[in-house]
Amino acid sequence: AAGVIQSPRHLIKEKRETATLKCYPIPRHDTVYWYQQGPGQDPQFLISFYEKMQSDKGSIPDRFSAQQFSDYHSELNMSSLELGDSALYFCASSLVGAEEAFFGQGTRLTVV
Amino acid sequence: AQKVTQAQTEISVVEKEDVTLDCVYETRDTTYYLFWYKQPPSGELVFLIRRNSFDEQNEISGRYSWNFQKSTSSFNFTITASQVVDSAVYFCALSDVKAAGNKLTFGGGTRVLVKP
Repeated sequence: AAGVIQSPRHLIKEKRETATLKCYPIPRHDTVYWYQQGPGQDPQFLISFYEKMQSDKGSIPDRFSAQQFSDYHSELNMSSLELGDSALYFCASSLVGAEEAFFGQGTRLTVV
Repeated sequence: AQKVTQAQTEISVVEKEDVTLDCVYETRDTTYYLFWYKQPPSGELVFLIRRNSFDEQNEISGRYSWNFQKSTSSFNFTITASQVVDSAVYFCALSDVKAAGNKLTFGGGTRVLVKP
C-alpha cells in the first residue's frame, strides 16, 4: 500500500539559507500534519492543513511557512535557517476525522 | 492543554526480560485517542497501537500488551520476553480530536536498551 512520501530524506543547509521540504500524502487523504523532532526530543506539532486550508497551528516559527496544494501535497518552507532548526521533520496524513494519521519516514535537516 | 508524561527516560534490560513503559496523560476532552509509537535508530515512527477513550479493554498482541486505565489517566505498555530488536525509543501520544484533524501531543519518550 502507498505510504506518505517525504522528500528529500536528508538535507544539509548553511545558516541563513532556505529549505523546502515536501510531503506527498497517502492517496485520498485530505489532511496533512507537520512535526519537528529535535535531537533527543519528542516530535512537536507545527501545523496542519485540511482541504488546502490551515486547520491548526502549533509552535511553528514565523520563519517557517507551509501550504497544501490542489493535489494535496504539502510543502514546508523554512527561511533564515538557524543551527537550532536541525531536526527530523515528519509529515503525516489522514482522512479528516479519522482516528489515526500515518507518518512518513521523515526528512533529516542539518544546518551547518 | 494536553500533556503526556513518560517518567522513565531510559530502561536497560537483558534479553528475555519483560519491560513495562509508563505513560500518564492529561486532557479535558472526553473523547480522545491514545497511541504508542516505536522509533528505532533509523528514525522512522512505527505505529504500535491506538486506543479510544471509551475502550478500556486491555489488549495483547504477540509480545506486546497494553493496560489502559482511565481512572488513573494511564496507558502503560509492556514488552514480554524482550529481544535486542526491541531496542528503540518508545513514545506515548495523545490525540486532540477536532473536526478538521487530530494533532498528536507526544510524551518525552522512553529509550529501551535490550542487551543480549
